[in-house]
Amino acid sequence: AQKITQTQPGMFVQEKEAVTLDCTYDTSDQSYGLFWYKQPSSGEMIFLIYQGSYDEQNATEGRYSLNFQKARKSANLVISASQLGDSAMYFCAMRGGAGGTSYGKLTFGQGTILTVHP
Amino acid sequence: GAVVSQHPSWVICKSGTSVKIECRSLDFQATTMFWYRQFPKQSLMLMATSNEGSKATYEQGVEKDKFLINHASLTLSTLTVTSAHPEDSSFYICSATYRNYNSPLHFGNGTRLTVT
Repeated sequence: AQKITQTQPGMFVQEKEAVTLDCTYDTSDQSYGLFWYKQPSSGEMIFLIYQGSYDEQNATEGRYSLNFQKARKSANLVISASQLGDSAMYFCAMRGGAGGTSYGKLTFGQGTILTVHP
Repeated sequence: GAVVSQHPSWVICKSGTSVKIECRSLDFQATTMFWYRQFPKQSLMLMATSNEGSKATYEQGVEKDKFLINHASLTLSTLTVTSAHPEDSSFYICSATYRNYNSPLHFGNGTRLTVT
């Protein structure tokens, strides 16, 4: 079974500063994918960044980067230069690998509510 | 980019009636679609996996007779909440994926269901 844990129910950050949202995971699959999604109050799920379990380099997408530490089973999201529009709920999610029992399914963490202060 | 359209965005219905929610992939063929349920300030819980042309696979604890899923084509999956009750009030959101495993799941904008 897969499990995703986000231990920060809420985080606050000053505008223009960087913030790290924590995510740890547990899986018996050798191959898996890790995702971060942003959910504003409107409810839509916005894909931010993806990291494959065999990717050697940390993924980056603009102001988003994923600090992937496989041995620690962590996949923290780093948002640089925070903007007011970054205020939202953030979900870490895992997708099981091909051939694994969880293939294709996305398992979500509890989420972290990020508030950016001006 | 890939677009998933979900309709309606919100619906209010009376207890005992049925509600149908549609999920469409607009610019790609979605072999698999997923239906999630989300309560306020909580995580998304997978309800079922919908594969085109076959029966849906339901997660443990989800009543398949209450939440009917049909995936009749590669671009459309529907979720019907039958005999809705106030406890079914929730945010329902679908997602769709390509065949490529590494592609991210693309989500619809969700449907907020209120049963009175």
